[in-house]
Amino acid sequence: GQQVMQIPQYQHVQEGEDFTTYCNSSTTLSNIQWYKQRPGGHPVFLIQLVKSGEVKKQKRLTFQFGEAKKNSSLHITATQTTDVGTYFCAGSTNFGNEKLTFGTGTRLTIIP
Amino acid sequence: DTGVSQDPRHKITKRGQNVTFRCDPISEHNRLYWYRQTLGQGPEFLTYFQNEAQLEKSRLLSDRFSAERPKGSFSTLEIQHTEQGDSAMYLCASSPWGGELFFGEGSRLTVL
Repeated sequence: GQQVMQIPQYQHVQEGEDFTTYCNSSTTLSNIQWYKQRPGGHPVFLIQLVKSGEVKKQKRLTFQFGEAKKNSSLHITATQTTDVGTYFCAGSTNFGNEKLTFGTGTRLTIIP
Repeated sequence: DTGVSQDPRHKITKRGQNVTFRCDPISEHNRLYWYRQTLGQGPEFLTYFQNEAQLEKSRLLSDRFSAERPKGSFSTLEIQHTEQGDSAMYLCASSPWGGELFFGEGSRLTVL
């Protein structure tokens, strides 16, 4: 079955440093989504990428979808304490997203 | 609209008992999903409804699990003869068209 892996599993950074998490799928994806889950909270949607090689930015967050549509990354510039949480990628092999397979997640902690 | 609501938020039960969780999606959303999440892991797909039709069910889901969505509105997830391995957070999400998933706060199950 489809597997989605993320690295690293944990990341501790000083406030103000950059952060990147990488997502790799065992199968070619039709689209990929990113979610953020705060400690004790539920996943909250960040963005969806559809096109091969697509890059999208949201303020300090930059999302990329690989050319082969099997990998993706999330980069945060100049982290802030509000960025704390676990970041999940979630991929689907059909555009209707009938079944999103979530990655293993990267837990980000910020050292003030 | 207050978003996706789930009930109960916490459930402690003894092994062998049956439990039922309820999910009320955002009213105009015709897609409803159930996921299960254990500590340190990403959400794991359980099942998916479009309106009242259950269109996909994870192969990982044993016959002890059943979900319904009568009239295409709220949904229930029942677990019969609970086992300790069923202890997890059960997340419900809804979506208007298969894009962004809106998650509820989850129902945490502890099986003693």
